[in-house]
Amino acid sequence: GQQLNQSPQSMFIQEGEDVSMNCTSSSIFNTWLWYKQDPGEGPVLLIALYKAGELTSNGRLTAQFGITRKDSFLNISASIPSDVGIYFCAGQLNNDMRFGAGTRLTVKP
Amino acid sequence: DAMVIQNPRYQVTQFGKPVTLSCSQTLNHNVMYWYQQKSSQAPKLLFHYYDKDFNNEADTPDNFQSRRPNTSFCFLDIRSPGLGDAAMYLCATSTGRGLFLEQYFGPGTRLTVT
Repeated sequence: GQQLNQSPQSMFIQEGEDVSMNCTSSSIFNTWLWYKQDPGEGPVLLIALYKAGELTSNGRLTAQFGITRKDSFLNISASIPSDVGIYFCAGQLNNDMRFGAGTRLTVKP
Repeated sequence: DAMVIQNPRYQVTQFGKPVTLSCSQTLNHNVMYWYQQKSSQAPKLLFHYYDKDFNNEADTPDNFQSRRPNTSFCFLDIRSPGLGDAAMYLCATSTGRGLFLEQYFGPGTRLTVT
């Protein structure tokens, strides 16, 4: 089956810094999705990407669907304390979807 | 506000004692999913309903069953919980536009097995 490699596993950054995380796969996906999960809550969709090469922003978040359809990245600019959480990528192809293992983000004030 | 609601938020059950977790949605979405999430791991899909059509993941244990009596409600039944079934259980919904696209997750039910 398709496996997603999400990196880094964790990040410790200072408030105000920019953040970048990515997901790669050995197989192609039709859709890439990025979710954020706060402790004790369900994941919340941040950005959905539907076309190879697509670059989409949501406030301070920017994500891109890689041109090969095998990767995606998420950038967060000017991080703030409420950005803390676990970020999951997810790739979808037909009737299958895979989550990455998550990137745990810690923001130090 | 339209949303996905899970009850209870915390459930304690005894080893081997059947337990049911519930999920309801006001989004009128065609698809409802159940995921199991263990600590520091990604959610793992157990099964989903597309309308009334039930789709079980190949590696979901027989111990886990689901019911969807109507569009709004979906239940997860664990027939004989083991210690390894302690986890967060997440319900999610999406429109019928495409499977797994833009899922809306509930807050989860954290299951403890004693």
